[in-house]
Amino acid sequence: GAVVSQHPSWVICKSGTSVKIECRSLDFQATTMFWYRQFPKQSLMLMATSNEGSKATYEQGVEKDKFLINHASLTLSTLTVTSAHPEDSSFYICSARGGPGNDFFGQGTRLTVV
Amino acid sequence: AQSVTQPDIHITVSEGASLELRCNYSYGATPYLFWYVQSPGQGLQLLLKYFSGDTLVQGIKGFEAEFKRSQSSFNLRKPSVHWSDAAEYFCAVGAGQAGTALIFGKGTTLSVSS
Repeated sequence: GAVVSQHPSWVICKSGTSVKIECRSLDFQATTMFWYRQFPKQSLMLMATSNEGSKATYEQGVEKDKFLINHASLTLSTLTVTSAHPEDSSFYICSARGGPGNDFFGQGTRLTVV
Repeated sequence: AQSVTQPDIHITVSEGASLELRCNYSYGATPYLFWYVQSPGQGLQLLLKYFSGDTLVQGIKGFEAEFKRSQSSFNLRKPSVHWSDAAEYFCAVGAGQAGTALIFGKGTTLSVSS
């Protein structure tokens, strides 16, 4: 089946630094990718929709200047958490859409800001 | 409003016993329906999905789900649960259109007792 690789799987960073998370579709092209945030014991919260070659669409309440999304190619989207703070610590998951009803998820990234 | 409801937050089932996880949705049209499973610290794995046709859908790992339009439900079932089925289960709906993200339920935690 289709594979989405998300990297890194976990990262620890100091408060005030930036962290980049990559989401790659390995064997298909994805014009649309999605970024989610998941708090412990909770569901996935959509952060933004990333479309190749255009600006991402952010959900209400998500700071676009803090969570920078770039979708430069049909197989790669990146999420950069800028000036990270402890409250940004979370589990981030991406998904790539391979067609109608075909969303494939990455393994997730555990971000810890200290 | 579009939504997904998973009424059961936590279910405990004895190993070998049958399982049913409930999912109700509210959507403007017949949506694409999904069940995903998530192990701790991992991404989401697709168990099965329904678009149209036979309302009883077979998935991986022995799971099946039945779409009931009249009840706006898409319940997940397994005849005999294994200890390895312990995980978080998410029901999701979507239009499948480009740029439209899936809507997830809050999830059901499945524990399996021996």
